[in-house]
Amino acid sequence: KQEVTQIPAALSVPEGENLVLNCSFTDSAIYNLQWFRQDPGKGLTSLLLIQSSQREQTSGRLNASLDKSSGRSTLYIAASQPGDSATYLCAVTQGGSEKLVFGKGTKLTVNP
Amino acid sequence: GAVVSQHPSWVICKSGTSVKIECRSLDFQATTMFWYRQFPKQSLMLMATSNEGSKATYEQGVEKDKFLINHASLTLSTLTVTSAHPEDSSFYICSAFGTGVSNEKLFFGSGTQLSVL
Repeated sequence: KQEVTQIPAALSVPEGENLVLNCSFTDSAIYNLQWFRQDPGKGLTSLLLIQSSQREQTSGRLNASLDKSSGRSTLYIAASQPGDSATYLCAVTQGGSEKLVFGKGTKLTVNP
Repeated sequence: GAVVSQHPSWVICKSGTSVKIECRSLDFQATTMFWYRQFPKQSLMLMATSNEGSKATYEQGVEKDKFLINHASLTLSTLTVTSAHPEDSSFYICSAFGTGVSNEKLFFGSGTQLSVL
């Protein structure tokens, strides 16, 4: 059974700092991995999707990497801003299914 | 981008009543919709998968007679929590996958916070 773990559970940083969020998964036979952002009481916004054959994806100040063999992914946020404050979720899918298995998330607070 | 509309965004109800949550894909045809729930400080957990015109497939431990899912059209799926109890209080969220949009991404509704008194 696939399990997704995110570390740390919460992170507080000053504005402008670069930061890394970590995600690990127990079964390396994934189809793809996604990073989402969840704002309190709201839905999820997909940030980056990495196919199993890819090593990284970039979007603006965000960069996600994937090391499938070791079951790890990182989300790098450059020059953090207070508007980045949210919970970041990592989720994987496995071949033949669009079912997402989520981690518990990392709650990020960026202080002005 | 693709939009999934979910209503209501929050609902408070008395124990024993039924609550219906709607999930609509506004600009694409959702051949498959997924329903998740999230308890406080827990991860989102898949409850069921519904394909248009078919019976939903429920995950282990999810009572199909309690959580009724209907996906009668390509743009609408509903989740009805029957005879809700306080332990059903949770954040429910739908996602949709379909034609006309990126086949690699799921699009999520904004979620429904259910509180059962």
